[in-house]
Amino acid sequence: GAGVSQTPSNKVTEKGKYVELRCDPISGHTALYWYRQSLGQGPEFLIYFQGTGAADDSGLPNDRFFAVRPEGSVSTLKIQRTERGDSAVYLCASSLSLGTGELFFGEGSRLTVL
Amino acid sequence: QQQVKQSPQSLIVQKGGISIINCAYENTAFDYFPWYQQFPGKGPALLIAIRPDVSEKKEGRFTISFNKSAKQFSLHIMDSQPGDSATYFCAAGSGNTGKLIFGQGTTLQVKP
Repeated sequence: GAGVSQTPSNKVTEKGKYVELRCDPISGHTALYWYRQSLGQGPEFLIYFQGTGAADDSGLPNDRFFAVRPEGSVSTLKIQRTERGDSAVYLCASSLSLGTGELFFGEGSRLTVL
Repeated sequence: QQQVKQSPQSLIVQKGGISIINCAYENTAFDYFPWYQQFPGKGPALLIAIRPDVSEKKEGRFTISFNKSAKQFSLHIMDSQPGDSATYFCAAGSGNTGKLIFGQGTTLQVKP
């Protein structure tokens, strides 16, 4: 596929469990972003990567959240000790490079913490 | 300083009418102002964007008006169609990072 791919599309987990969400960006896009969207709200910035390094992780809510992009392509958002308040749609986006403007979003991973 | 305030929260327009959504920002360092359209179950998709060196940008039925001194910008959808029914988000950011701050969204319903 030509777009940003996110897996799983839906994840239901229990409070306290560990979760990984995967993002496969558009081929050739060097910049990758993670956003979180709660019901009825706009996307909220979490972190972005330029290449393999996290250029800005100021949006991560606490140290239970961590993201990696080891080879500069696929990224994984990791959430430890999940809480009910973590329930949201986690959106991944990519762009050709930083500063080129348009972000291309995936369809998101819906996380539900019971 | 990082907030982007969007209004109205919801909007109902008749087919053929004009839809207008407004946004205000605080951070004068912002230099990139896009509008995204989101359908249920889908990710946001870029509709149109403007940079502060122009006061208006038009693409088809969609126009952004930008007022730098007031720190406000708006989206106008001309000849609104039922297929335009979606949630619209304004955003603001610094063009050299791509990091965007989104508004709260406006749910638009265009009645046939």
